[in-house]
Amino acid sequence: QKEVEQNSGPLSVPEGAIASLNCTYSDRVSQSFFWYRQYSGKSPELIMSIYSNGDKEDGRFTAQLNKASQYVSLLIRDSQPSDSATYLCAVRGSQGNLIFGKGTKLSVKP
Amino acid sequence: NAGVMQNPRHLVRRRGQEARLRCSPMKGHSHVYWYRQLPEEGLKFMVYLQKENIIDESGMPKERFSAEFPKEGPSILRIQQVVRGDSAAYFCASSPNSPHRTGGSNQPQHFGDGTRLSIL
Repeated sequence: QKEVEQNSGPLSVPEGAIASLNCTYSDRVSQSFFWYRQYSGKSPELIMSIYSNGDKEDGRFTAQLNKASQYVSLLIRDSQPSDSATYLCAVRGSQGNLIFGKGTKLSVKP
Repeated sequence: NAGVMQNPRHLVRRRGQEARLRCSPMKGHSHVYWYRQLPEEGLKFMVYLQKENIIDESGMPKERFSAEFPKEGPSILRIQQVVRGDSAAYFCASSPNSPHRTGGSNQPQHFGDGTRLSIL
């Protein structure tokens, strides 16, 4: 059973701080990784995708991938209250579907 | 450039009725994925379809659930004889190419706004 694990949180950070969200996955051959943001009652919104070991930066977001450790993370710099949401880590399965973690709920306090 | 369109946004059914959920993929996308999200849970894959073909239905319950993606028209997720446990948000996502084509696995999936199904 291929699994994606995330801490459910809630993760609470003050405004302006760095929020660090972590994810581990069980299938060693996984190649594609995605972070989605989901506001309460809304649909998942793609934040970042990463396929190679190392860091990938996009604005205030940095995704980090370590395939040897089967670990992917998302850093949010200068966190804003509008970043408060649930962050879903997803790994591409062998048939093309996404395997999601349960999500980490982030709360950014003003 | 419309995104993934799902309707209805909200659907209320009584136990034993049928629910039909529709999904039109993004323009140019021919691959559709259905996911279900139970309250306070992550998204769970249900079925992957290409036009006129079911590619992977490993996440579909064995009974009462079916899906199709006809040559013309939207993809349909059909739930027969609904029960209270079917209450959930059902999301559809689309991508342009097969994940098995070169570079295809790197293509993200874009989600519709979902259908919130409530069973009375």
